[in-house]
Amino acid sequence: EDQVTQSPEALRLQEGESSSLNCSYTVSGLRGLFWYRQDPGKGPEFLFTLYSAGEEKEKERLKATLTKKESFLHITAPKPEDSATYLCAVQAGYSGGGADGLTFGKGTHLIIQP
Amino acid sequence: KAGVTQTPRYLIKTRGQQVTLSCSPISGHRSVSWYQQTPGQGLQFLFEYFSETQRNKGNFPGRFSGRQFSNSRSEMNVSTLELGDSALYLCASSYRDRETQYFGPGTRLLVL
Repeated sequence: EDQVTQSPEALRLQEGESSSLNCSYTVSGLRGLFWYRQDPGKGPEFLFTLYSAGEEKEKERLKATLTKKESFLHITAPKPEDSATYLCAVQAGYSGGGADGLTFGKGTHLIIQP
Repeated sequence: KAGVTQTPRYLIKTRGQQVTLSCSPISGHRSVSWYQQTPGQGLQFLFEYFSETQRNKGNFPGRFSGRQFSNSRSEMNVSTLELGDSALYLCASSYRDRETQYFGPGTRLLVL
């Protein structure tokens, strides 16, 4: 069974204080690892897709990295508008070429204080 | 390009009733997936449709069903509602089943 564990559950930072969010996963045949941001009352907003160990992607103050067992979302010099819940999800691939639904972690609730 | 749209945005039902939720994917996307989000369980996969066929199904009872139309729009139905069905129901679309999924704003269902 695919599993995703995110840590910490909650994180409070001062504006400008860099940190990292962790996503540990077990999946048979990783097709992709996805990071989303979710604001209260809204649907998840896509951030990154990572496909293989060693891959890195960046967008503004965010950088996502992937190893064979975990992924990190690094946030550099965060601003209050970066406050949100960050969700990690994995998708298993089938040998025939299909893919499963996303398996999500419980998320990291990030608060950036001015 | 317009994003994923879901209707209605909010619903209040009573136990035993049934409900139908609608999802319009991003133009050109042929895969639609449905998820249930609750505070206790987080986001859980319900099912996925591609070209009007259910391709995958999560671990939910048969009261949860769905369908997809030829224009890729999708509906999900929950029959005999239970209090525990109160949740945010999210629809996501992708070009194909192995591509990045983009989520709609969700339908908030409250079962009384």
